[in-house]
Amino acid sequence: DTGVSQDPRHKITKRGQNVTFRCDPISEHNRLYWYRQTLGQGPEFLTYFQNEAQLEKSRLLSDRFSAERPKGSFSTLEIQRTEQGDSAMYLCASSPGTGAGANVLTFGAGSRLTVL
Amino acid sequence: QKEVEQNSGPLSVPEGAIASLNCTYSDRGSQSFFWYRQYSGKSPELIMFIYSNGDKEDGRFTAQLNKASQYVSLLIRDSQPSDSATYLCAGDNQFYFGTGTSLTVIP
Repeated sequence: DTGVSQDPRHKITKRGQNVTFRCDPISEHNRLYWYRQTLGQGPEFLTYFQNEAQLEKSRLLSDRFSAERPKGSFSTLEIQRTEQGDSAMYLCASSPGTGAGANVLTFGAGSRLTVL
Repeated sequence: QKEVEQNSGPLSVPEGAIASLNCTYSDRGSQSFFWYRQYSGKSPELIMFIYSNGDKEDGRFTAQLNKASQYVSLLIRDSQPSDSATYLCAGDNQFYFGTGTSLTVIP
């Protein structure tokens, strides 16, 4: 088990472009979360999947953000028409969903987005 | 009102001292709380979680949960320079994290 993998680790894009991030969770984990983190702040929740079902989405999330987890395994987060305010670290985390540590999150290393 | 709030710090303690980190929450229905540590430039990693009122100890770390007063705390005994990091608390659904408390342990 290699933990939670995120790709790419860094992305620099121009304002208005679309970007996509990928997250591969720990294989036995059925829950997957996306967060955004800026300097000096805690992780800001974006969305949450239980297997392939997207069960929760932050009300703060604009329509430019969309996430999928088509087969209940890896997930993608797409940001359309990027804005400079989207510059942040995008963190993916997964949790087992069952057992004593059901809600314990394991985070990936993150994907850092810079919008010029 | 934010779901989870932390005393923002930063907090500095000398090596060997006890560091006390606090978090308050607004959702009375929350059943469990999680403490994560985040080193600069790294992702958060779990320190411990607590479900029941009272104390839970794990090595030098003790989590305390008081549901009546709606706060949860983390005590770090015999603080070490390697404990210097930002500490984050989160409620049971982990949709909401505190802003974090930056801890520096001075050798």
